[in-house]
Amino acid sequence: NAGVMQNPRHLVRRRGQEARLRCSPMKGHSHVYWYRQLPEEGLKFMVYLQKENIIDESGMPKERFSAEFPKEGPSILRIQQVVRGDSAAYFCASSPSDRANTGELFFGEGSRLTVL
Amino acid sequence: AQSVTQPDIHITVSEGASLELRCNYSYGATPYLFWYVQSPGQGLQLLLKYFSGDTLVQGIKGFEAEFKRSQSSFNLRKPSVHWSDAAEYFCAVGAKGSYIPTFGRGTSLIVHP
Repeated sequence: NAGVMQNPRHLVRRRGQEARLRCSPMKGHSHVYWYRQLPEEGLKFMVYLQKENIIDESGMPKERFSAEFPKEGPSILRIQQVVRGDSAAYFCASSPSDRANTGELFFGEGSRLTVL
Repeated sequence: AQSVTQPDIHITVSEGASLELRCNYSYGATPYLFWYVQSPGQGLQLLLKYFSGDTLVQGIKGFEAEFKRSQSSFNLRKPSVHWSDAAEYFCAVGAKGSYIPTFGRGTSLIVHP
């Protein structure tokens, strides 16, 4: 059973470009989370999604950031017009329905975004 | 809302020595508690979890943690540290009915030979 798959693992963008990060949850998991990790900081929650629905986006900046989890295909975290401050590791995690209300998460290896 | 404090940013131990990483949480009811480990350049791996029952929980890689309600703590322990244990350790707390766990800042473990 494959784990949470994220791609790309590394992404370099110039200021003003768009970044798209993809996440395929573990098989059978319908809950997806995105976290951001900055150097010397912990994990900051961004958004929580279920299939075709954003459940909680309280941690995501209101501008330039968006997320989706379509019926078919991976979850996408999209950052428009990137700035240097967006440079970070972005982690996706998933959870099965029977454990989603406990907070137990299964993490991917992350996508590391560098903005030049 | 729940919160987590990991008071130690860095911990240095010698290989073979015992280890204890501290975690304090704030939550009004019985929390769900987790410890994750992150090796450099990798994602987070679950070490152990506490939902209910026995307050001493065993995890992978020889780690254990003890839930102490009176102290609002969930400290991680290992009797003998190996060089491969050098990593970042995160404590997290979940709440019944809340789907979003809160993570501590993390503790970086350095192991000296």
